[in-house]
Amino acid sequence: QQQVKQSPQSLIVQKGGISIINCAYENTAFDYFPWYQQFPGKGPALLIAIRPDVSEKKEGRFTISFNKSAKQFSLHIMDSQPGDSATYFCAARQPGTYKYIFGTGTRLKVLA
Amino acid sequence: GAGVSQSPSNKVTEKGKDVELRCDPISGHTALYWYRQRLGQGLEFLIYFQGNSAPDKSGLPSDRFSAERTGESVSTLTIQRTQQEDSAVYLCASSLATEQYFGPGTRLTVT
Repeated sequence: QQQVKQSPQSLIVQKGGISIINCAYENTAFDYFPWYQQFPGKGPALLIAIRPDVSEKKEGRFTISFNKSAKQFSLHIMDSQPGDSATYFCAARQPGTYKYIFGTGTRLKVLA
Repeated sequence: GAGVSQSPSNKVTEKGKDVELRCDPISGHTALYWYRQRLGQGLEFLIYFQGNSAPDKSGLPSDRFSAERTGESVSTLTIQRTQQEDSAVYLCASSLATEQYFGPGTRLTVT
């Protein structure tokens, strides 16, 4: 009930391609869905986030698509660049708290 | 301003020893989190502090783990009688609202 399932575990994309990472959840009460980017040796940094009353949010090359009925959300990275190579985590916030459940991460490699 | 800082950045300890990890949150952030990140895994919630409220300790894996926070400032995570399975990166994050700001983590290796 409290899990957030993330896929794929790893992803290789050519420069200029689209990277897509998916997350699925069970608890329909989750109220906030952030995506984090983590480079080796660094802590995760917030990339983009969405609330469940919105179906899509775009910030530059990064877009979150949110499907409330399917209980899924995904991160799309357009025109992927080698500098985007990192590990990406989705997360979901438990309602009425500041407690987050994280996905297991996707290691993205963008080939030059 | 400065971000979240953690010390030490790396810690190697022998099995059975106690370790103390430190987190300095962003000034003014009322919420502070500790997470554990095992190699190749996601972030595992350990404990959450919010202002002067009682901390949410529901993620602490055993009674060997404890954490303290003085007001809205520094926090320390203590692991007693360390075990090899405690080897991980321990991340601290602080928050004023929804966005969490993470520190660089402390890599703990128990030999």
